[in-house]
Amino acid sequence: QSALTQPASVSGSPSQSITISCTGSSSDIGTYDHVSWYQQHPGKAPKLIIYEVNKRPSGVSLRFSGSKSGNTASLTVSGLLAEDEADYFCSSYAGTRVLVFGGGTKLAVL
Amino acid sequence: LQLQESGPGLVKPSETLSLTCAVSDGSVDSSRFYWGWLRQPPGRGLEWIASIYYSGNTYYNASLQSRVTISVDTADSHFSLKLHSVTAADTAVYYCARQGIAVAPWGFDSWGQGTLVTVS
Repeated sequence: QSALTQPASVSGSPSQSITISCTGSSSDIGTYDHVSWYQQHPGKAPKLIIYEVNKRPSGVSLRFSGSKSGNTASLTVSGLLAEDEADYFCSSYAGTRVLVFGGGTKLAVL
Repeated sequence: LQLQESGPGLVKPSETLSLTCAVSDGSVDSSRFYWGWLRQPPGRGLEWIASIYYSGNTYYNASLQSRVTISVDTADSHFSLKLHSVTAADTAVYYCARQGIAVAPWGFDSWGQGTLVTVS
């Protein structure tokens, strides 16, 4: 059982927007802004797409955005493209040099 | 920056899993990053295992700490993982990755391709 809770799957049609939630606790997401999101295509290594809640690494599409409210972080993907179909994982610092992950969400672009 | 994991793909139960991550087009001898190991059991989510600084400062996932050793070799630009007393539950794809400090703190911005280790 993962420390952070994500929906198992979400889906959307091309050009639509979807949001993936990541629920933690006051010990992790609720206290720290070190929330990251990763995209993983089948058979590939994860790719960092969001860090520090809402910052994008160089080269990551503006269509990816992050936010946080209380103990829940969210990833929004706007203008869905077929290439966005992948697994998405959240992570959060949980204090005392501990990092926790969510179980992952499979995004289907219908 | 490139990271490349290497090590046996098959380990017997109760033995030690040993992996090395070679860092090229960059160096582990940097004050700007930590270097970490993560794993992903087949069809499941990611789990952080441990991280190390070039100076040798380390920190571990508490659930694995008693079985894990991480080390760094700045001269040869690589870092290593040892996981002792493995069981079938340790079967996973193991990744090495670069972890940010000032930029993308606690985020892993460069990853190796991963290596599947089966315990059987």
